[in-house]
Amino acid sequence: AQTVTQSQPEMSVQEAETVTLSCTYDTSESNYYLFWYKQPPSRQMILVIRQEAYKQQNATENRFSVNFQKAAKSFSLKISDSQLGDTAMYFCAFMAGYALNFGKGTSLLVTP
Amino acid sequence: NAGVMQNPRHLVRRRGQEARLRCSPMKGHSHVYWYRQLPEEGLKFMVYLQKENIIDESGMPKERFSAEFPKEGPSILRIQQVVRGDSAAYFCASSPNVATGTGNEKLFFGSGTQLSVL
Repeated sequence: AQTVTQSQPEMSVQEAETVTLSCTYDTSESNYYLFWYKQPPSRQMILVIRQEAYKQQNATENRFSVNFQKAAKSFSLKISDSQLGDTAMYFCAFMAGYALNFGKGTSLLVTP
Repeated sequence: NAGVMQNPRHLVRRRGQEARLRCSPMKGHSHVYWYRQLPEEGLKFMVYLQKENIIDESGMPKERFSAEFPKEGPSILRIQQVVRGDSAAYFCASSPNVATGTGNEKLFFGSGTQLSVL
């Protein structure tokens, strides 16, 4: 069974600062994908960034980047130049077939 | 191109009633997935359907829950004789092909239906 653990239930960061959200996972699969999703109060699930496990290079999407440590089974999300609109729940997710396994989420608050 | 449409957005039912949740996938998508999000939890996979076929229902409770994706019309998640523990947000997602996570098979989520059982 695959499990995804997000150890930070809540985090806060000031606008324009950088914040890192942690995620670890457990799997025996060799080929899989990792995702970070953002869920604002509107409840919409928005894909933030995606990482293929076979790629060593860390994925980046504008202000969002990941630190993927395959041996440690760690997949953290770094948000640079935080903006008020980044306030949301952030879910780390693992996919080895077609079903996503989500962590419990980290609530991020960006303050002025 | 409209996204994944779910309705209703909010649904209130009394214990013992039936709940029907609808999901219209994105145009051209023939694969539908249902997920459930309990309070303060991440989403949990329930069922994967293709047109007229249930591919994987391993995440569905054994009783009272059923899902369908007919040839025409939206996918329906049906919960019979609802109980308070069924209160949750139910999300639908769709993909053009089976969503293996690779570049072309991306998953698109709807905004969910919040089911409240009184």
